[in-house]
Amino acid sequence: KAGVTQTPRYLIKTRGQQVTLSCSPISGHRSVSWYQQTPGQGLQFLFEYFSETQRNKGNFPGRFSGRQFSNSRSEMNVSTLELGDSALYLCASSLTASGTQYFGPGTRLLVL
Amino acid sequence: GEDVEQSLFLSVREGDSSVINCTYTDSSSTYLYWYKQEPGAGLQLLTYIFSNMDMKQDQRLTVLLNKKDKHLSLRIADTQTGDSAIYFCAESPDNYGQNFVFGPGTRLSVLP
Repeated sequence: KAGVTQTPRYLIKTRGQQVTLSCSPISGHRSVSWYQQTPGQGLQFLFEYFSETQRNKGNFPGRFSGRQFSNSRSEMNVSTLELGDSALYLCASSLTASGTQYFGPGTRLLVL
Repeated sequence: GEDVEQSLFLSVREGDSSVINCTYTDSSSTYLYWYKQEPGAGLQLLTYIFSNMDMKQDQRLTVLLNKKDKHLSLRIADTQTGDSAIYFCAESPDNYGQNFVFGPGTRLSVLP
């Protein structure tokens, strides 16, 4: 079974731009969560989707948004990029709403 | 709020046992997890333990849980150079959601 896939793997943007990251969960998994990983703050929860509904949201500004499609694929969007948004963005999928999370390889975003 | 703490560095000799420790604050966590991250990669699930268990063994890995002290440990027997990585402890929330809280990670260095 294929694992969690994330595209693109690397991205360079400039301040003020917006970016969309994509995540395809493990086949059959209905829950997708997003995390931001930075050297200073570590791993921080962004949001969680299950059956196209956002169930939980972390403490991030409204510039960070996401959605989940009927095939469980998910996208996250960051608008008006800031230098501090440079990070590794990790997506995780789970079979159920409360199950074990399996992570993808991440998208490394660099904001210049 | 929830908080997970880990020591940041651990160095061991190849062939020795490694013990990585973690303390958490949310006594209502249902599951506690150990993930491994190699350079440039996402998080790989190593093992997990249900909160009503004291110990779980999985090949070279042994997880010990002291619920009274909110202390979790991961023991790696016969540590190999390929075990060099960052190890994250994570607790699942009491809302049965996917907003895991991660520790800062312990960087394990295995010396030949």
